[in-house]
Amino acid sequence: DAGITQSPRYKITETGRQVTLMCHQTWSHSYMFWYRQDLGHGLRLIYYSAAADITDKGEVPDGYVVSRSKTENFPLTLESATRSQTSVYFCASKDGPSGEQYFGPGTRLTVT
Amino acid sequence: GENVEQHPSTLSVQEGDSAVIKCTYSDSASNYFPWYKQELGKRPQLIIDIRSNVGEKKDQRIAVTLNKTAKHFSLHITETQPEDSAVYFCAALSWGKLQFGAGTQVVVTP
Repeated sequence: DAGITQSPRYKITETGRQVTLMCHQTWSHSYMFWYRQDLGHGLRLIYYSAAADITDKGEVPDGYVVSRSKTENFPLTLESATRSQTSVYFCASKDGPSGEQYFGPGTRLTVT
Repeated sequence: GENVEQHPSTLSVQEGDSAVIKCTYSDSASNYFPWYKQELGKRPQLIIDIRSNVGEKKDQRIAVTLNKTAKHFSLHITETQPEDSAVYFCAALSWGKLQFGAGTQVVVTP
């Protein structure tokens, strides 16, 4: 589990601010994912990446931007944070399309 | 796309009893079905998985069964213990992405 980390672990920001959540994995996994978890909604996919420089939208991508210039990093940016983006964000990675998927420790984001 | 339904949403069991969580999926091409356990304030952790060429898989007190014809799979926990209290998520793999069920809150009472 130490192979996938997220930073910061907790973040409070104001409406309209840009904020970037970082995700780093040391396994050289090809696939990386960003989910948000809200009460009553389970885990919802925001964006995913099958390899460096390849990203695609998930179920709830609006208001988010991702990039993947290096295999090990997959940052998620909220361009102009809104209160509805208050959530717990989990990054995940796996080796190949049908590999076991592992989650990072999560980032709790509060938008005031 | 894939749609995964999970039942029940909450499950209360007496310590020592068994717990069963059921999931159905829609994409007949799905071939990998993991189960995750999430304790309060922690990340989801993979506890067991099954692939479509297997009907049942066991690991100590937990087991998963898969019925591809009916497109449903289940998690069975026997001899439940207080440390089994958590939220459990099923998932189905479709086009390289996991689609998660909504989760089951399991409470094991001593």
